[in-house]
Amino acid sequence: SQKIEQNSEALNIQEGKTATLTCNYTNYSPAYLQWYRQDPGRGPVFLLLIRENEKEKRKERLKVTFDTTLKQSLFHITASQPADSATYLCALEWRDDKIIFGKGTRLHILP
Amino acid sequence: DTGVSQDPRHKITKRGQNVTFRCDPISEHNRLYWYRQTLGQGPEFLTYFQNEAQLEKSRLLSDRFSAERPKGSFSTLEIQRTEQGDSAMYLCASSLQSHPGDEQYFGPGTRLTVT
Repeated sequence: SQKIEQNSEALNIQEGKTATLTCNYTNYSPAYLQWYRQDPGRGPVFLLLIRENEKEKRKERLKVTFDTTLKQSLFHITASQPADSATYLCALEWRDDKIIFGKGTRLHILP
Repeated sequence: DTGVSQDPRHKITKRGQNVTFRCDPISEHNRLYWYRQTLGQGPEFLTYFQNEAQLEKSRLLSDRFSAERPKGSFSTLEIQRTEQGDSAMYLCASSLQSHPGDEQYFGPGTRLTVT
């Protein structure tokens, strides 16, 4: 069965540095890969979408890469700020509309 | 506020009771999704609708779970004969799906506690 693994449960990064989060998957590559942010007690908020034929997407301080050979997506936050502290979820969607979310990585930006 | 609302926000019920949750999506969105999320886990897909048609329900957790979207607008999720293991956050999301893979807008969730 399809599995998703997000690197670590928690990641501590010094303010101003780049935070890099990993999303690995098994079996078939998804058609779309999305990253969401979730704050405690709230629903996830969409950040970025990358398609299977795309290598990289950027939005302001955010960058996502997608490597179907490695079966991996990397999510980068540059010039990190304490307000970036949250849980970040990757979500994979296949053409048959099957969607699976990872467990998430809790990111702490230390002032 | 994403524009997706869920009601109630919190529900405490005794084991064996039935509960129903409501989701109001963004008005022009044709897709509506239900997820369950437990502590430390990502959202777990349950079912989804394209307008009023339920396109996937095999991943509903058991036959105690059912969902409807009668007029293609709001949706309800019902859990019959609740069990303590049903305690979780139930999330609703909607999307326009004008392009495949369009982002989902999540509501704030309904937190269910079964005692």
